[in-house]
Amino acid sequence: QRQLVQSGPELKKPGTSVKVSCRASGFTFIGSTVQWVRQAPGEGQKLEYIGWIVIGSTNTNYAQQFQGRVTFTRDLSTSTAYMELRGLRSEDTGVYYCAADRRGVSYLFDSWGQGSLVIVSS
Amino acid sequence: SSELTQDPAVSVALGQTVRITCQGDSLRVYHATWFQQKPGQAPLLVISGKNKRPSGVPDRFSGSTSGNTASLIITGAQAEDEADYHCNSRDSSGNHLGVVFGGGTRLTVL
Repeated sequence: QRQLVQSGPELKKPGTSVKVSCRASGFTFIGSTVQWVRQAPGEGQKLEYIGWIVIGSTNTNYAQQFQGRVTFTRDLSTSTAYMELRGLRSEDTGVYYCAADRRGVSYLFDSWGQGSLVIVSS
Repeated sequence: SSELTQDPAVSVALGQTVRITCQGDSLRVYHATWFQQKPGQAPLLVISGKNKRPSGVPDRFSGSTSGNTASLIITGAQAEDEADYHCNSRDSSGNHLGVVFGGGTRLTVL
């Protein structure tokens, strides 16, 4: 079945970087788009769009508030997408989700990873 | 970028019908997508496009749009429907290839 498995929790110091992975299985990875979304800790927090990467072409779209600090990459040999966020600050603490659109760029992100907790603290 | 507005909390009696709304100018151009999220879990897509439900989502979930307001309707709400509901759509101003999310609505089933 379609599955996205993300990397484990990270504890990072302010100013450093984090790289979160998202390994896909059960669908054609090269034909998909992977979106990244984050959610601040605690109940009832909103989802925040970070951006997406078209796996085949590596075209990307980044939300304005993350431009210059985030980079999406992918490794076709392992069907894995990556999100690197640099210059971490405490406000970046949250759960980071990847989600896949199996149809390409149809904005139907119907497969989600389990989330990766990133804590930024000195 | 566009903004989507949701009521923070809504409640419904067991078995009754509830409408959860999402308002924003981008909804005049793009369809809303709705996600259900239970505590400690990833979001689950429940409605997309013009009222499309993925397989496995109960048919008591439906969607509609009028003007700048999209609605997720649960007909005959069940206890297991208690969750946070998030809407999103493509961004119609600023980052036209990007996506915007609403603030989420906490649904309580009484």
